[in-house]
Amino acid sequence: GEDVEQSLFLSVREGDSSVINCTYTDSSSTYLYWYKQEPGAGLQLLTYIFSNMDMKQDQRLTVLLNKKDKHLSLRIADTQTGDSAIYFCADASGGSYIPTFGRGTSLIVHP
Amino acid sequence: KAGVTQTPRYLIKTRGQQVTLSCSPISGHRSVSWYQQTPGQGLQFLFEYFSETQRNKGNFPGRFSGRQFSNSRSEMNVSTLELGDSALYLCASTPLGQGAEKLFFGSGTQLSVL
Repeated sequence: GEDVEQSLFLSVREGDSSVINCTYTDSSSTYLYWYKQEPGAGLQLLTYIFSNMDMKQDQRLTVLLNKKDKHLSLRIADTQTGDSAIYFCADASGGSYIPTFGRGTSLIVHP
Repeated sequence: KAGVTQTPRYLIKTRGQQVTLSCSPISGHRSVSWYQQTPGQGLQFLFEYFSETQRNKGNFPGRFSGRQFSNSRSEMNVSTLELGDSALYLCASTPLGQGAEKLFFGSGTQLSVL
């Protein structure tokens, strides 16, 4: 990947939906990822999507990909306080296992 | 199956010193990557090792080096520490031939340079 951008902070109320947005510049990106980092921990892969897909749903998580605009989003339904963490968007080309990460979005969930 | 283990968890050093961080990958994983995480720059790729050979390298000065042993354990070394080297250093491992969807991270080593 070349460059990945995402907003730094998002604050939502418990029970609402959260939408974290990401843009990338590498037109050859094949895989796009969402990772979660809880305080004091490493990154954990949440989900990923192939570039030939528009949407992927996995329980409370929905990933939307607009390849034309190079825009990726992660929607978390019914957000809980346990979802408070930093969420990283990342992209990789081909079979590369060296993704390019965004700076991360800190999601704060308040009661 | 044990996860990726990084030691030590915390380190405090002074400018000019050197430091060595250790990473034990998941059993059977042969590729180990290192990342530097800072609030200002986010997550930046340092280097990747496979079968004791450095295969990929990020854009960091030569003060940052690493190696991998025959059991796939890896170490990274930072010489002549600078204040700006304060960061969380993350190690990740992946099985042979797998993409980033198989990238597993350790909890990191928090390095503070005073």
